[in-house]
Amino acid sequence: NAGVTQTPKFQVLKTGQSMTLQCAQDMNHEYMSWYRQDPGMGLRLIHYSVGAGITDQGEVPNGYNVSRSTTEDFPLRLLSAAPSQTSVYFCASSRPVGTGELFFGEGSRLTVL
Amino acid sequence: DAKTTQPPSMDCAEGRAANLPCNHSTISGNEYVYWYRQIHSQGPQYIIHGLKNNETNEMASLIITEDRKSSTLILPHATLRDTAVYYCIVRGLTGANSKLTFGKGITLSVRP
Repeated sequence: NAGVTQTPKFQVLKTGQSMTLQCAQDMNHEYMSWYRQDPGMGLRLIHYSVGAGITDQGEVPNGYNVSRSTTEDFPLRLLSAAPSQTSVYFCASSRPVGTGELFFGEGSRLTVL
Repeated sequence: DAKTTQPPSMDCAEGRAANLPCNHSTISGNEYVYWYRQIHSQGPQYIIHGLKNNETNEMASLIITEDRKSSTLILPHATLRDTAVYYCIVRGLTGANSKLTFGKGITLSVRP
C-alpha cells in the first residue's frame, strides 16, 4: 500500500510564484488535511476536508487554497508564494473518527526566496 | 486553538516508565483523545486513542480519568528511540469537530 503520497518532497520558489503541493491517498479515507510545521513549533492546520467536495479552513488558511474533487486527492495551492510560507508541509488522511489513526505523508519542504 | 494543555518537556531514564500527562478540561462527551508522536522532522506517528475506557496496545497505555478531563500516556519501558515530541489531541466525530489540531506537544527526553 502506498498510503499517503506527497509530491514534491523539496521545492524552492521565488516570491510571487505559484505552485501546487500534491497529496494522494489510496486508502479511501474521507478525511484529509494539510499542516505546516515551522522550526521549533508544532503542526498547524491549514485546511481540511471531511469528504469529496467539502473543504474548510484550519488555523492558518491565509495564502493557501485547496479543493477536493475526488476522495483520493487533496492538493494545496500557493497562489503567490511569500517567504513566510517557507515551511515543511504535511498531508494526512484518516478513517472515520474513533475508528483509526491519522496517516501522514513524508512531508514537503518548501523554501520561498 | 488546541483543546489540550501539556507541560513543555519531561525526561525519564531508559527502561523506566514514562508517564505523559494531558489536560483536556473542555472535552465533550463524543470527543476522543488521541496521542501522536513526532521524531525529528518525520511525519507524526499514531500511538493510541480512546473515548472513556483505558486502552492498551503494543506501544503504550492510555489512562483517561473518570471525568475525562485529563489523561496520561504511559510508555511502560522507555527507550532512547522514544525521545520525541508527543502530542495529545481531542477530536470530535463530525464536521469541524473532526479536525485534528495539534498543540505544541511535550518533548520527552529519554536519558541513558
